Amino acid sequence: EAGVVQSPRYKIIEKKQPVAFWCNPISGHNTLYWYRQNLGQGPELLIRYENEEAVDDSQLPKDRFSAERLKGVDSTLKIQPAELGDSAVYLCASSSSTPGGETQYFGPGTRLLVL
Amino acid sequence: GNSVTQMEGPVTLSEEAFLTINCTYTATGYPSLFWYVQYPGEGLQLLLKATKADDKGSNKGFEATYRKETTSFHLEKGSVQVSDSAVYFCALEARNTGNQFYFGTGTSLTVIP
Repeated sequence: EAGVVQSPRYKIIEKKQPVAFWCNPISGHNTLYWYRQNLGQGPELLIRYENEEAVDDSQLPKDRFSAERLKGVDSTLKIQPAELGDSAVYLCASSSSTPGGETQYFGPGTRLLVL
Repeated sequence: GNSVTQMEGPVTLSEEAFLTINCTYTATGYPSLFWYVQYPGEGLQLLLKATKADDKGSNKGFEATYRKETTSFHLEKGSVQVSDSAVYFCALEARNTGNQFYFGTGTSLTVIP
C-alpha cells in the first residue's frame, strides 16, 4: 500500500514569491493534516481536514497561507507571498476516522528554503 | 492547555546500552499518547501508542507505559542498535480539542558501534 505522497521534496524560492505543496493521502483516509516543522522542533498543526471540510484551521496564518482539499482526496497548501520565516519542513499526514488513538501516517515532507 | 515536554538531546549511546527518553504531558481529560520516530531523510513513523492509563505500548524492542499519576510516557529500550539512531517525538492526542495532536520538540539519538 502506498504511503502519503508529497511533492516537491525540496523547494528554494526568493522571498515574496508564491509556493505550493501537494499531498496525496493514503487511500481511504478521510482526515488530512498539514503541519509545519521548524528546525529542531516538533510538528505544529496548520490545518486539519475531514473529507473536504477544514475543521481546524486556527493555526493557519490566513493572510498568506491557504489550503484546499477538493473532492476530499488530494490537498494543496499555498503560501503567497513567502517570507524568510516560512523556511521549514511542511508535513502532510492522513488518518482514518477511528475514535480515539488514530494513527497518523506522515509523508516525507517538503523542505522549503526562502532566500 | 495541552502540551508535551520531552528531554532535550542530543543523546549519544554505545550499542547495547539502555535507553530512556523522558516525556511528560499536560492535558485536560484523558489523552492518547504516542511515540513517533523520524529516521534521517524520512517522514515521521508511529513507533508505539497507548490510549488509556496503565497501557503499555511496545514495538521493535521499545516500550512506554502511560502513567496517569505522573503524567508521563517515558520511552525505553533495553539494548539499542546503531539502526535506532533517529529523532524521537512524544505526542498526545487531545480529545478535548477535536483530537488535535501536540508534539514534543524531539530528542535526537545517536548510537555508536
